[in-house]
Amino acid sequence: SQKIEQNSEALNIQEGKTATLTCNYTNYSPAYLQWYRQDPGRGPVFLLLIRENEKEKRKERLKVTFDTTLKQSLFHITASQPADSATYLCALYSSASKIIFGSGTRLSIRP
Amino acid sequence: DAGVIQSPRHEVTEMGQEVTLRCKPISGHNSLFWYRQTMMRGLELLIYFNNNVPIDDSGMPEDRFSAKMPNASFSTLKIQPSEPRDSAVYFCASSLTISGANVLTFGAGSRLTVL
Repeated sequence: SQKIEQNSEALNIQEGKTATLTCNYTNYSPAYLQWYRQDPGRGPVFLLLIRENEKEKRKERLKVTFDTTLKQSLFHITASQPADSATYLCALYSSASKIIFGSGTRLSIRP
Repeated sequence: DAGVIQSPRHEVTEMGQEVTLRCKPISGHNSLFWYRQTMMRGLELLIYFNNNVPIDDSGMPEDRFSAKMPNASFSTLKIQPSEPRDSAVYFCASSLTISGANVLTFGAGSRLTVL
């Protein structure tokens, strides 16, 4: 069956460190993968998109990698700040515009 | 642009009642998605439309759920009759397909509680 798994339900790290979140998938061949941020009581907000022919994408302190052989994406936040605390969701483009989300990782950055 | 607008933001109803959730997508976006979010199941895709046409409703849990998109600026998700297990946050999202990619813009969600 098709699955999207995000490595941990929660991740706690100290301010200034790099946060690394993992998204693994099985039985998909996505043309692209996206990462979203969700704050409590709000809808998810788009952060980054990476296509299957791209290895890495960066935006300010964010970096995403996409390994179609390992069927894995890594999402990094460098120089993390308490304001980065949120739930981060990976999403796969499945087929015919269908976008499926992982269960999310709740990231907490402590001062 | 005001973004994706959903109403109501909160709804509390009793089991057996009909619930209608509404969504106004961003003008010019050609795809619309309805998701449901719970702690147990995360964000589940219920149904999506492309150019107002339903493309895939395989995520709709039961016949009690129905969705329509009568025009490019309005969609509804209806639950009739509602049950306590339908309690969740329902999100609507719209997107524009560019170079084969859809980036979703979500509304603020409608929190449904069925007693």
